[in-house]
Amino acid sequence: NAGVMQNPRHLVRRRGQEARLRCSPMKGHSHVYWYRQLPEEGLKFMVYLQKENIIDESGMPKERFSAEFPKEGPSILRIQQVVRGDSAAYFCASSPPWKQGNYGYTFGSGTRLTVV
Amino acid sequence: SQKIEQNSEALNIQEGKTATLTCNYTNYSPAYLQWYRQDPGRGPVFLLLIRENEKEKRKERLKVTFDTTLKQSLFHITASQPADSATYLCALVTGTASKLTFGTGTRLQVTL
Repeated sequence: NAGVMQNPRHLVRRRGQEARLRCSPMKGHSHVYWYRQLPEEGLKFMVYLQKENIIDESGMPKERFSAEFPKEGPSILRIQQVVRGDSAAYFCASSPPWKQGNYGYTFGSGTRLTVV
Repeated sequence: SQKIEQNSEALNIQEGKTATLTCNYTNYSPAYLQWYRQDPGRGPVFLLLIRENEKEKRKERLKVTFDTTLKQSLFHITASQPADSATYLCALVTGTASKLTFGTGTRLQVTL
């Protein structure tokens, strides 16, 4: 049973380009969470999604960032017109639908985005 | 304002001793508190969860306490080993959205 898969592991983008980060949750998990970790800082919540629904996007910057979790396929975190400040590690976590909170979340290994 | 505070200073202890890490929070009423381990370049790995009505939880060499009056959780690793060296994160679960809110983590270094 594969864990949470994130790709790519490393992504380099020039300023102004788009970054697309993918997350495939564990089998049977329908809830996906995205977090951002800046160097020497803690994990910051960005967005919580269920299949085809955004449940909580209170941590998402209002501009340039968007997320989706379609009925089929992985969850995508998209960053348009990247800037140097977007350089960070982006982690995805998943959980099953029946034990929200009362269950340890499974995290992927992250995507390290570097904007040059 | 809401805060989750963990010791920002690294904790250095000798192999075989008990490591104790602290997590303090303010202006939260968490339903659950979780502890994770994070190694460099990797994602967090879930270790233990404790509910608001539980005082203590154990798993092998790990023990977590939760004091909702003090708004504090303590995380203990007994008989520590060099392989326990990592950053340890506490996280709160609040509200109905079930999102985790993390502290900044404490780096533990266990030396021979």
